[in-house]
Amino acid sequence: DAGVTQSPTHLIKTRGQQVTLRCSPKSGHDTVSWYQQALGQGPQFIFQYYEEEERQRGNFPDRFSGHQFPNYSSELNVNALLLGDSALYLCASSLWTGVKTDTQYFGPGTRLTVL
Amino acid sequence: AQKVTQAQTEISVVEKEDVTLDCVYETRDTTYYLFWYKQPPSGELVFLIRRNSFDEQNEISGRYSWNFQKSTSSFNFTITASQVVDSAVYFCALSGFNKFYFGSGTKLNVKP
Repeated sequence: DAGVTQSPTHLIKTRGQQVTLRCSPKSGHDTVSWYQQALGQGPQFIFQYYEEEERQRGNFPDRFSGHQFPNYSSELNVNALLLGDSALYLCASSLWTGVKTDTQYFGPGTRLTVL
Repeated sequence: AQKVTQAQTEISVVEKEDVTLDCVYETRDTTYYLFWYKQPPSGELVFLIRRNSFDEQNEISGRYSWNFQKSTSSFNFTITASQVVDSAVYFCALSGFNKFYFGSGTKLNVKP
Protein backbone atom coordinates (compact mmCIF):
# COMPACT_ATOMS: atom_id res chain seq x y z
CA ASP A 1 0.00 0.00 0.00
CA ALA A 2 1.71 3.14 -1.25
CA GLY A 3 1.92 5.98 1.23
CA VAL A 4 1.96 9.69 0.52
CA THR A 5 4.74 10.69 -1.85
CA GLN A 6 6.17 14.13 -2.51
CA SER A 7 8.60 15.55 -5.02
CA PRO A 8 11.14 16.93 -5.11
CA THR A 9 12.85 16.17 -1.79
CA HIS A 10 14.89 19.33 -1.76
CA LEU A 11 14.71 22.53 -3.74
CA ILE A 12 16.82 25.68 -3.83
CA LYS A 13 15.40 28.84 -5.39
CA THR A 14 16.21 32.53 -5.37
CA ARG A 15 13.96 35.38 -4.32
CA GLY A 16 11.30 36.28 -6.87
CA GLN A 17 11.25 32.88 -8.53
CA GLN A 18 8.31 30.53 -8.70
CA VAL A 19 8.18 26.93 -7.46
CA THR A 20 5.88 23.93 -7.90
CA LEU A 21 5.73 21.09 -5.39
CA ARG A 22 3.96 17.81 -6.07
CA CYS A 23 2.10 15.28 -3.97
CA SER A 24 0.46 11.91 -4.54
CA PRO A 25 -1.96 10.83 -1.83
CA LYS A 26 -2.11 7.51 -0.07
CA SER A 27 -4.00 4.88 -2.02
CA GLY A 28 -7.73 5.21 -1.44
CA HIS A 29 -7.59 8.80 -0.20
CA ASP A 30 -9.36 11.63 -2.00
CA THR A 31 -8.37 14.72 0.00
CA VAL A 32 -5.05 16.51 0.04
CA SER A 33 -3.88 19.18 2.47
CA TRP A 34 -0.72 21.25 2.41
CA TYR A 35 1.19 22.54 5.40
CA GLN A 36 4.21 24.80 5.85
CA GLN A 37 6.57 23.99 8.69
CA ALA A 38 9.24 26.53 9.57
CA LEU A 39 12.24 25.36 11.55
CA GLY A 40 11.36 24.64 15.16
CA GLN A 41 7.63 25.21 14.70
CA GLY A 42 4.52 23.15 14.19
CA PRO A 43 2.96 22.69 10.76
CA GLN A 44 0.79 25.59 9.59
CA PHE A 45 -2.19 24.83 7.39
CA ILE A 46 -2.05 26.30 3.87
CA PHE A 47 -5.09 24.80 2.14
CA GLN A 48 -7.06 21.63 1.48
CA TYR A 49 -8.34 20.19 -1.81
CA TYR A 50 -11.20 17.82 -2.46
CA GLU A 51 -12.92 17.11 -5.77
CA GLU A 52 -10.41 19.42 -7.45
CA GLU A 53 -11.63 22.40 -5.43
CA GLU A 54 -10.00 24.36 -2.64
CA ARG A 55 -12.19 23.64 0.37
CA GLN A 56 -10.42 25.56 3.11
CA ARG A 57 -7.56 28.00 3.25
CA GLY A 58 -5.27 29.08 6.03
CA ASN A 59 -3.74 32.49 6.56
CA PHE A 60 -1.45 32.49 3.54
CA PRO A 61 -1.23 35.10 0.76
CA ASP A 62 -2.46 34.57 -2.78
CA ARG A 63 1.12 33.85 -3.83
CA PHE A 64 0.33 30.36 -2.59
CA SER A 65 -1.96 28.48 -4.92
CA GLY A 66 -2.77 24.89 -5.57
CA HIS A 67 -4.43 22.39 -7.78
CA GLN A 68 -5.85 18.91 -7.50
CA PHE A 69 -6.05 16.56 -10.46
CA PRO A 70 -8.68 13.92 -11.27
CA ASN A 71 -6.36 11.21 -9.92
CA TYR A 72 -6.35 13.09 -6.55
CA SER A 73 -2.71 14.15 -6.81
CA SER A 74 -1.98 17.77 -6.05
CA GLU A 75 0.42 20.62 -6.69
CA LEU A 76 1.40 23.56 -4.53
CA ASN A 77 2.62 26.64 -6.37
CA VAL A 78 4.38 29.56 -4.76
CA ASN A 79 5.05 32.72 -6.77
CA ALA A 80 7.41 35.61 -6.08
CA LEU A 81 9.37 33.67 -3.49
CA LEU A 82 10.51 35.43 -0.34
CA LEU A 83 13.27 34.44 2.04
CA GLY A 84 10.56 33.71 4.61
CA ASP A 85 9.11 30.99 2.39
CA SER A 86 12.05 28.76 3.26
CA ALA A 87 10.50 25.83 5.10
CA LEU A 88 9.52 22.18 4.98
CA TYR A 89 6.35 21.77 2.95
CA LEU A 90 4.26 18.81 3.99
CA CYS A 91 1.49 17.16 2.06
CA ALA A 92 -1.14 15.14 3.91
CA SER A 93 -3.88 12.92 2.56
CA SER A 94 -7.12 11.75 4.11
CA LEU A 95 -10.64 10.62 3.31
CA TRP A 96 -13.19 13.37 2.90
CA THR A 97 -15.84 13.36 5.63
CA GLY A 98 -17.53 16.69 5.03
CA VAL A 99 -17.21 17.58 8.70
CA LYS A 100 -14.19 17.13 10.94
CA THR A 101 -11.00 16.18 9.18
CA ASP A 102 -10.16 12.58 9.93
CA THR A 103 -6.70 11.06 10.25
CA GLN A 104 -4.20 12.64 7.91
CA TYR A 105 -1.19 10.73 6.63
CA PHE A 106 1.84 12.81 5.78
CA GLY A 107 4.47 12.58 3.11
CA PRO A 108 8.20 13.03 3.71
CA GLY A 109 8.02 16.70 2.77
CA THR A 110 9.86 19.01 0.40
CA ARG A 111 12.58 21.17 1.91
CA LEU A 112 12.51 24.55 0.14
CA THR A 113 15.39 26.95 0.56
CA VAL A 114 15.06 30.47 -0.81
CA LEU A 115 18.32 32.41 -1.24
CA ALA B 1 -11.29 29.51 18.67
CA GLN B 2 -9.35 26.32 18.19
CA LYS B 3 -5.93 25.99 19.75
CA VAL B 4 -3.43 23.38 20.89
CA THR B 5 -0.79 24.12 23.50
CA GLN B 6 2.27 22.02 24.17
CA ALA B 7 4.00 23.87 26.96
CA GLN B 8 7.07 21.62 27.08
CA THR B 9 9.46 22.78 24.40
CA GLU B 10 12.13 20.19 25.06
CA ILE B 11 12.53 17.25 27.43
CA SER B 12 15.65 15.21 28.07
CA VAL B 13 15.56 11.82 29.77
CA VAL B 14 17.88 8.88 30.21
CA GLU B 15 16.98 5.63 28.52
CA LYS B 16 14.44 3.48 30.43
CA GLU B 17 12.92 6.47 32.18
CA ASP B 18 9.21 7.14 31.77
CA VAL B 19 8.23 10.45 30.20
CA THR B 20 4.93 12.27 29.76
CA LEU B 21 4.26 14.82 27.04
CA ASP B 22 1.51 17.30 27.81
CA CYS B 23 -1.15 18.58 25.43
CA VAL B 24 -3.92 21.05 26.23
CA TYR B 25 -6.51 22.03 23.67
CA GLU B 26 -9.24 24.61 23.23
CA THR B 27 -12.39 24.15 21.19
CA ARG B 28 -16.06 25.04 21.38
CA ASP B 29 -17.03 22.04 19.30
CA THR B 30 -18.75 19.14 20.99
CA THR B 31 -17.41 16.62 18.50
CA TYR B 32 -13.77 16.57 17.50
CA TYR B 33 -10.73 14.38 17.06
CA LEU B 34 -7.36 14.58 18.78
CA PHE B 35 -4.14 13.18 17.40
CA TRP B 36 -0.50 12.60 18.24
CA TYR B 37 2.20 12.53 15.59
CA LYS B 38 5.91 11.77 15.81
CA GLN B 39 8.42 13.64 13.67
CA PRO B 40 11.87 12.03 13.58
CA PRO B 41 14.85 13.93 12.17
CA SER B 42 13.95 12.71 8.68
CA GLY B 43 11.00 15.11 8.79
CA GLU B 44 8.03 12.89 7.99
CA LEU B 45 5.12 13.13 10.43
CA VAL B 46 4.18 9.66 11.63
CA PHE B 47 0.64 9.08 12.87
CA LEU B 48 0.49 7.56 16.37
CA ILE B 49 -3.09 7.78 17.61
CA ARG B 50 -6.52 9.28 17.00
CA ARG B 51 -9.06 9.82 19.76
CA ASN B 52 -12.72 10.79 19.39
CA SER B 53 -14.09 13.42 21.73
CA PHE B 54 -16.83 11.10 22.95
CA ASP B 55 -14.41 8.32 23.90
CA GLU B 56 -12.48 9.14 27.06
CA GLN B 57 -11.16 5.64 27.56
CA ASN B 58 -7.41 5.65 27.95
CA GLU B 59 -5.41 3.66 25.46
CA ILE B 60 -2.23 1.66 25.69
CA SER B 61 -0.14 0.44 22.80
CA GLY B 62 3.04 -1.29 23.87
CA ARG B 63 5.19 1.28 25.65
CA TYR B 64 2.87 4.13 24.62
CA SER B 65 -0.21 5.24 26.53
CA TRP B 66 -2.57 8.17 26.18
CA ASN B 67 -4.66 9.89 28.84
CA PHE B 68 -7.63 11.88 27.53
CA GLN B 69 -9.53 14.08 29.99
CA LYS B 70 -12.28 16.32 28.64
CA SER B 71 -12.75 17.97 32.03
CA THR B 72 -9.27 19.50 31.79
CA SER B 73 -9.10 19.58 27.96
CA SER B 74 -5.95 17.52 28.02
CA PHE B 75 -4.64 14.66 25.94
CA ASN B 76 -1.32 13.57 27.43
CA PHE B 77 1.07 11.01 26.01
CA THR B 78 3.30 8.77 28.13
CA ILE B 79 6.22 6.69 26.96
CA THR B 80 7.19 3.97 29.39
CA ALA B 81 10.79 2.75 29.53
CA SER B 82 11.95 5.23 26.90
CA GLN B 83 14.45 4.21 24.25
CA VAL B 84 16.91 6.18 22.14
CA VAL B 85 14.72 5.52 19.08
CA ASP B 86 11.96 7.54 20.76
CA SER B 87 14.01 10.70 20.26
CA ALA B 88 11.94 12.95 18.00
CA VAL B 89 9.59 15.91 18.02
CA TYR B 90 6.06 14.99 19.05
CA PHE B 91 3.04 17.00 17.93
CA CYS B 92 -0.46 17.04 19.32
CA ALA B 93 -3.20 18.08 16.88
CA LEU B 94 -6.90 18.95 16.98
CA SER B 95 -9.21 18.39 14.04
CA GLY B 96 -11.12 21.30 12.66
CA PHE B 97 -13.35 21.60 9.64
CA ASN B 98 -11.11 20.72 6.71
CA LYS B 99 -7.86 21.21 8.61
CA PHE B 100 -5.75 20.35 11.63
CA TYR B 101 -4.56 22.65 14.36
CA PHE B 102 -1.10 21.63 15.54
CA GLY B 103 0.71 22.44 18.74
CA SER B 104 4.24 23.77 18.59
CA GLY B 105 5.69 20.37 19.42
CA THR B 106 7.81 18.86 22.18
CA LYS B 107 11.31 17.72 21.36
CA LEU B 108 12.18 14.55 23.25
CA ASN B 109 15.84 13.63 23.73
CA VAL B 110 16.46 10.16 25.06
CA LYS B 111 20.06 9.65 26.09
CA PRO B 112 21.68 6.22 26.35
